[in-house]
Amino acid sequence: AQTVTQSQPEMSVQEAETVTLSCTYDTSENNYYLFWYKQPPSRQMILVIRQEAYKQQNATENRFSVNFQKAAKSFSLKISDSQLGDTAMYFCAFMKLNNNDMRFGAGTRLTVKP
Amino acid sequence: SAVISQKPSRDICQRGTSLTIQCQVDSQVTMMFWYRQQPGQSLTLIATANQGSEATYESGFVIDKFPISRPNLTFSTLTVSNMSPEDSSIYLCSVDSIPGQGGYGVNFGQGTRLTVV
Repeated sequence: AQTVTQSQPEMSVQEAETVTLSCTYDTSENNYYLFWYKQPPSRQMILVIRQEAYKQQNATENRFSVNFQKAAKSFSLKISDSQLGDTAMYFCAFMKLNNNDMRFGAGTRLTVKP
Repeated sequence: SAVISQKPSRDICQRGTSLTIQCQVDSQVTMMFWYRQQPGQSLTLIATANQGSEATYESGFVIDKFPISRPNLTFSTLTVSNMSPEDSSIYLCSVDSIPGQGGYGVNFGQGTRLTVV
């Protein structure tokens, strides 16, 4: 079974600074997908970024980037130039290839301070 | 990406009653899923809603408690039956992000916040 671990229950960062959220996972699969979702107080789950395991290049989406270390089974999220609107719960998620049920980590509550 | 409408957005229900949550998608999608998010917790998959057949339930979830319908490729319902306070959670509908294809991530509805009193 796949497990996803987020070891940081809470994080905070000053506005405009950079923060990194950690995620590790356990799987015997070789091909899979990894995701970071953001859940603001509105509770809407918003896809932030995704990474295909077969791609060596780290995914980037504007201020969001990942550090994907396949051998170490690590998938951290870096948020640059943090904004107040980035305040939310962030969930790391794993999904096997061609199997859409996603496994989520416990989440990290990020607070961006003015 | 698909637009997902979930109703109701919230409800307060008496224990012992049932609530049906609806999920409507603006395009045909292959896969629809139902998740539960208990207070302060992460998301847990309840079941995969299969069009034209019974839903596939995850360990710990049963059809009698969480009956699911999927009459077509754009609509699904989840019923929380014989509710107790322990069922108080956010229930989220999700669909695969690429219609007709699988394995590339999911989009979520806005969720239904259920409180059982």
